[in-house]
Amino acid sequence: QQQVKQSPQSLIVQKGGISIINCAYENTAFDYFPWYQQFPGKGPALLIAIRPDVSEKKEGRFTISFNKSAKQFSLHIMDSQPGDSATYFCAAPGYSGGGADGLTFGKGTHLIIQP
Amino acid sequence: DTEVTQTPKHLVMGMTNKKSLKCEQHMGHRAMYWYKQKAKKPPELMFVYSYEKLSINESVPSRFSPECPNSSLLNLHLHALQPEDSALYLCASSQTGFYGYTFGSGTRLTVV
Repeated sequence: QQQVKQSPQSLIVQKGGISIINCAYENTAFDYFPWYQQFPGKGPALLIAIRPDVSEKKEGRFTISFNKSAKQFSLHIMDSQPGDSATYFCAAPGYSGGGADGLTFGKGTHLIIQP
Repeated sequence: DTEVTQTPKHLVMGMTNKKSLKCEQHMGHRAMYWYKQKAKKPPELMFVYSYEKLSINESVPSRFSPECPNSSLLNLHLHALQPEDSALYLCASSQTGFYGYTFGSGTRLTVV
């Protein structure tokens, strides 16, 4: 199975600051790298995703940066708000990348935004 | 309809009971998934169904038995579970060839 290594495990950021979460992967064959956001008592929700043919994707305050040579991708949350407090997971396809193979998730980052 | 609906939301069962978890989606997704999530851990893949056929079983014990009666429904039948099986069970769906999963809110299972 594809392994993704996520860091840090927990993160505390002041309101208005930038939250940065990193993820490293091993297999260069895959072509889709998502980030999921999970609130307590809820299932994960797709936040933003990137394909390796671009180095950066921005959606509102959320940005993915992708470094193909380093096999890393990161999530940046600009102007972090208390409502962003959640657990964030990076993920990668589990097998051949054919679509219905199942995602493998990183260990997660528990983000707390302090008012 | 852009939701995955899971029932029940909470379930307490004894080790000798038989129960079922239900998952339903009406987005036309032809891939459906069961995940297990323990507290403060990432979701772990259990089963993948593609076009109503089981395509992946992640070496899950036989006391968990999945079923996909049609393209909108996914069940997880439970029998003779152990206390360590207590967890949040998540269902997800997606278009095949696409990793943008839609997750349900899960069933919180407690085995006593």
